[in-house]
Amino acid sequence: ETGVTQSPTHLIKTRGQQVTLRCSSQSGHNTVSWYQQALGQGPQFIFQYYREEENGRGNFPPRFSGLQFPNYSSELNVNALELDDSALYLCASSLADTEAFFGQGTRLTVV
Amino acid sequence: GEDVEQSLFLSVREGDSSVINCTYTDSSSTYLYWYKQEPGAGLQLLTYIFSNMDMKQDQRLTVLLNKKDKHLSLRIADTQTGDSAIYFCAEKGNNRLAFGKGNQVVVIP
Repeated sequence: ETGVTQSPTHLIKTRGQQVTLRCSSQSGHNTVSWYQQALGQGPQFIFQYYREEENGRGNFPPRFSGLQFPNYSSELNVNALELDDSALYLCASSLADTEAFFGQGTRLTVV
Repeated sequence: GEDVEQSLFLSVREGDSSVINCTYTDSSSTYLYWYKQEPGAGLQLLTYIFSNMDMKQDQRLTVLLNKKDKHLSLRIADTQTGDSAIYFCAEKGNNRLAFGKGNQVVVIP
């Protein structure tokens, strides 16, 4: 167990809808990163939040947005869902630039 | 830029050693990591190596780093059935991890 929890574990949405995924970071960690893992691929970096501010972004469109709260938990929001957004979404928490610990992920299916 | 490459599949008999290889391109990476992913699960951090080290041993795991060739390997000694999983190497740079596509290890009893 890493102490990083994600909810929900599974989700089915329709194309065009919006989705919010949640992540609770490990106690003492102030940095949360989000990754998208398509089937058969390695995880791809979406963005990182450090002390409630975005601290780096990968090659994802603006309809992928996020938040980090004062307790360092985080949300990933995706608007106007597309079929290709179907993936495992992974959250990782760390203390600043130290090693990252991942949650179990949220499996999103867009139909 | 970050571009991590891994081979795709390895079959190994229980009790034998497994070696998984990875190449990376970002010479400024400070840390290199190995993660394990079991079916339907998230990523489990196995071990990591700092870029100024050549080797790190952690129980059954040995990491070798060849900075000249940008080559990273993970050796699992006495491979067990519980080691069956997908293994990802990742390099760290610009506040993010760049992962390879993973290497599936199947342990045959």
